[in-house]
Amino acid sequence: DVKVTQSSRYLVKRTGEKVFLECVQDMDHENMFWYRQDPGLGLRLIYFSYDVKMKEKGDIPEGYSVSREKKERFSLILESASTNQTSMYLCASSSQVVLFLQGYTFGSGTRLTVV
Amino acid sequence: AQSVTQLGSHVSVSEGALVLLRCNYSSSVPPYLFWYVQYPNQGLQLLLKYTSAATLVKGINGFEAEFKKSETSFHLTKPSAHMSDAAEYFCAVSAPYSSASKIIFGSGTRLSIRP
Repeated sequence: DVKVTQSSRYLVKRTGEKVFLECVQDMDHENMFWYRQDPGLGLRLIYFSYDVKMKEKGDIPEGYSVSREKKERFSLILESASTNQTSMYLCASSSQVVLFLQGYTFGSGTRLTVV
Repeated sequence: AQSVTQLGSHVSVSEGALVLLRCNYSSSVPPYLFWYVQYPNQGLQLLLKYTSAATLVKGINGFEAEFKKSETSFHLTKPSAHMSDAAEYFCAVSAPYSSASKIIFGSGTRLSIRP
């Protein structure tokens, strides 16, 4: 089975801290995605990447950046954490070739609280 | 452009009753459609997918969905609800986008099961 692993399940950070959320997938997928999930708002796409060192903005990129130095790893960076970034963060990956057959594979999520 | 609309943010049924979660889509090209399930404090898991092979699609845990082009719908059903079905369900449509194909998610429907 494809595995998408997010490094932390729960994280508490202080306002103004630089925060790194890590995501690793083990199936050589080209595409990787970062979403945040908030009650009543569903999933909102922050950034995605379709290749190493490539990235594209999603719907809500403000306050975030990403890094993809290796194909299997996609990092989300909160440059200066704020309380409105308290949320559940979900990482996903997919194969560009068989996206429509397999969909996305999601990690278990990181629940980030900024105090 | 593709989009999905899930009717009802919260659905409550009795154990043993029919489950019906509604999803309507909009797509300028033949769509690929998905249903995902999210159990508490977990990531999303693929429940089933429509990829034009058959209009009635069977998924895991006894769920199925029927693609109706004339109604632009892809409703999710289960004949008899179990307590373990309590979760959030997301309908999604594929969307070719720039360099990476993406999946567009609905806002989700929370399913509660009454004893």
